[in-house]
Amino acid sequence: DVKVTQSSRYLVKRTGEKVFLECVQDMDHENMFWYRQDPGLGLRLIYFSYDVKMKEKGDIPEGYSVSREKKERFSLILESASTNQTSMYLCASRHSGGAGVTDTQYFGPGTRLTVL
Amino acid sequence: KQEVTQIPAALSVPEGENLVLNCSFTDSAIYNLQWFRQDPGKGLTSLLLIQSSQREQTSGRLNASLDKSSGRSTLYIAASQPGDSATYLCAVRSSGGGADGLTFGKGTHLIIQP
Repeated sequence: DVKVTQSSRYLVKRTGEKVFLECVQDMDHENMFWYRQDPGLGLRLIYFSYDVKMKEKGDIPEGYSVSREKKERFSLILESASTNQTSMYLCASRHSGGAGVTDTQYFGPGTRLTVL
Repeated sequence: KQEVTQIPAALSVPEGENLVLNCSFTDSAIYNLQWFRQDPGKGLTSLLLIQSSQREQTSGRLNASLDKSSGRSTLYIAASQPGDSATYLCAVRSSGGGADGLTFGKGTHLIIQP
């Protein structure tokens, strides 16, 4: 069974703190993604990674950075957390260049981050 | 820029009814379209993926159709059950360049009354 795990379900941080959100997948997928989900705005892509050490900006990368040192792990970093980064963060992974069901994107359970 | 719209935003029906959820997208240059289910406070569960060359996909009581040229997809749920209550999200993977993630609709919040 495919599995994407995220390090925390709930996280509370203070403004200005550096925050690390971790995501691990056990499916040997090349592609990994970070989204945020907000009421009324839906899910929006922050960053994605084609493969190890490769990254591309999504639609809303400002205030975030990412790290992918190993294939199975993709980290989202908030360099200096702000209250407008309070959100649900969802990680996903996908097989690269697949066709049919192998193109399916699998999601983790999410991390609800509150920045005070 | 791709935009995805889902109608209705919310739907409440009695148990046992068949129902249809609608999704439309503005740019027909897509690799595929995916339907997800999200329970409150949880992540997304993939239900069905339709490649751009396909017309429909079925899984159990779910059937999803795709009309790429008109930019539309429907998710048909047969014989609805209270356990089907959730938010249903439609998402497309665009092939027209740009970020290679999914573009999501805002979802249909479905309640099945026992």
